[in-house]
Amino acid sequence: AQSVTQPDIHITVSEGASLELRCNYSYGATPYLFWYVQSPGQGLQLLLKYFSGDTLVQGIKGFEAEFKRSQSSFNLRKPSVHWSDAAEYFCAVAPNTDKLIFGTGTRLQVFP
Amino acid sequence: DVKVTQSSRYLVKRTGEKVFLECVQDMDHENMFWYRQDPGLGLRLIYFSYDVKMKEKGDIPEGYSVSREKKERFSLILESASTNQTSMYLCASTMQGAVGNTEAFFGQGTRLTVV
Repeated sequence: AQSVTQPDIHITVSEGASLELRCNYSYGATPYLFWYVQSPGQGLQLLLKYFSGDTLVQGIKGFEAEFKRSQSSFNLRKPSVHWSDAAEYFCAVAPNTDKLIFGTGTRLQVFP
Repeated sequence: DVKVTQSSRYLVKRTGEKVFLECVQDMDHENMFWYRQDPGLGLRLIYFSYDVKMKEKGDIPEGYSVSREKKERFSLILESASTNQTSMYLCASTMQGAVGNTEAFFGQGTRLTVV
C-alpha cells in the first residue's frame, strides 16, 4: 500500500538557521509529491509540488524540495528559517488517483 | 480569491447526537474530500466525492456518511457521535483530473468535541 513517512515529529531550530524536513514514500512508481504547511488555526496551504522533470523544485516562502528516486525521498529545505515559519508541515503523495495521502506531519518550532 | 468554507470553526456535541459538518467551495471544483486530523496521525481520508451524488469511502469511513446534493457543497455526517470522533475535520477540494495536476484547497477546519 502507498504510504508516506515523516520520521521527525518535532524539530526546533534557531531563527536564521537552515532547515531540512524529511519525507519518504512507498510506492511502485514515481508519484506526484507535495509539501503543505499548516499555520496555527489555519487550513493547509500548498508550498510546492513535484510532477516530473527537474528534481529540485522551488516553492513559496523560500522553500525548496529535492526528489531523490533512489532514496524514495522528497525532503523540504530552507536555507534560513524565519520565526513566521513555525508551523506544521505535511508531506503528501498522489499515486495515480484523485486522492492525496498525507504523512503524519512535522511540527517546526523556531527560537529567536 | 478561491475559498473553501467550513460552516463552523468549533463545535461541541453530546454523545449520540447526529452531527452535520458543512463545506462549501466557490471554485466549481468537481472533487471534494473530508479528512480528520489527529496529533501524531496526520490527515486521514474519511470520504471523497468526484461528482454530485457520488461518493467513495476513504481510509476511515466507519461511523461517518456524506452527502453531496450540489456541486459546491459536501457534508459530513456523524450518525451517532462518539467521543472517539473528537477531532479536527478538514474539507478540501480540487479540480477534476489526476490530483497530481492540481492544487488541493483546504478549509480552515472544524474542531469537534464530543462530550
